[in-house]
Amino acid sequence: GAVVSQHPSRVICKSGTSVKIECRSLDFQATTMFWYRQFPKQSLMLMATSNEGSKATYEQGVEKDKFLINHASLTLSTLTVTSAHPEDSSFYICSARDDLGYGYTFGSGTRLTVV
Amino acid sequence: GDSVTQMEGPVTLSEEAFLTINCTYTATGYPSLFWYVQYPGEGLQLLLKATKADDKGSNKGFEATYRKETTSFHLEKGSVQVSDSAVYFCALSDRGSSASKIIFGSGTRLSIRP
Repeated sequence: GAVVSQHPSRVICKSGTSVKIECRSLDFQATTMFWYRQFPKQSLMLMATSNEGSKATYEQGVEKDKFLINHASLTLSTLTVTSAHPEDSSFYICSARDDLGYGYTFGSGTRLTVV
Repeated sequence: GDSVTQMEGPVTLSEEAFLTINCTYTATGYPSLFWYVQYPGEGLQLLLKATKADDKGSNKGFEATYRKETTSFHLEKGSVQVSDSAVYFCALSDRGSSASKIIFGSGTRLSIRP
C-alpha cells in the first residue's frame, strides 16, 4: 500500500532556531501534500496545502513566513519552522494525495518541542 | 463551509461491548467520508471510507454507512477489544474538486477496559 515517510519523528530545538520536517511519498507520486498541526487532545488543523512546483496555499491565520513549505519534487515536501518559539511546540503531521486518485496517506507525525 | 461534527469523548467501554461513535457532516457537494484512527504518539491510519450514498465502509470489524438523508457516517463495532483504544476521527473530502482537502472532526477518544 501507499506509504508516507515523515522525518524526524521527534525533535527538540532551542528557541530562535529553525527546524525542517520532511514528508516523502515512498511508492507513489503526490502533486499535492498537506501539512497539519495537532495540539494535545485536539483535532488536526490544516495549516497549508503544498503543491509541487508552485507556492503553497496557507489556511487563514497561518504565518507564511514562519512556516515555510517547499515541494520541489513529486515525492517530497518540507516544512520549516523558522525562529521557533515554545508556542510552536506541537505535533505536525503531513499527508500526501495520490495523483492517480483521491487517496490520502498520512505520515507518522513529528513531535516538535521548542525549549 | 464544509464541516464535520462528531461525538465528544472520552468514551469508555468494557471489552466486548458494542460501540457507536456518531458523526454528522455538512457539505455543499458530494463528499467522500472517512474514519481515521490515531494510536498514542502516532500519525493517522485510514480505518474505512465510503465515497457515495448508501456505501458501507468496513475494516477490522468496524463499519460505517454513508447516509445522505441524515448526513451521517456513524462508526460501529459489535465487540470492541482493548487494542481498539485510540482516538477516532471522522473526516470528509470534497472528491469533486481538484483542490480537495480533508476536513476532520474533533476526534473521539475511546478507552476499552479489560
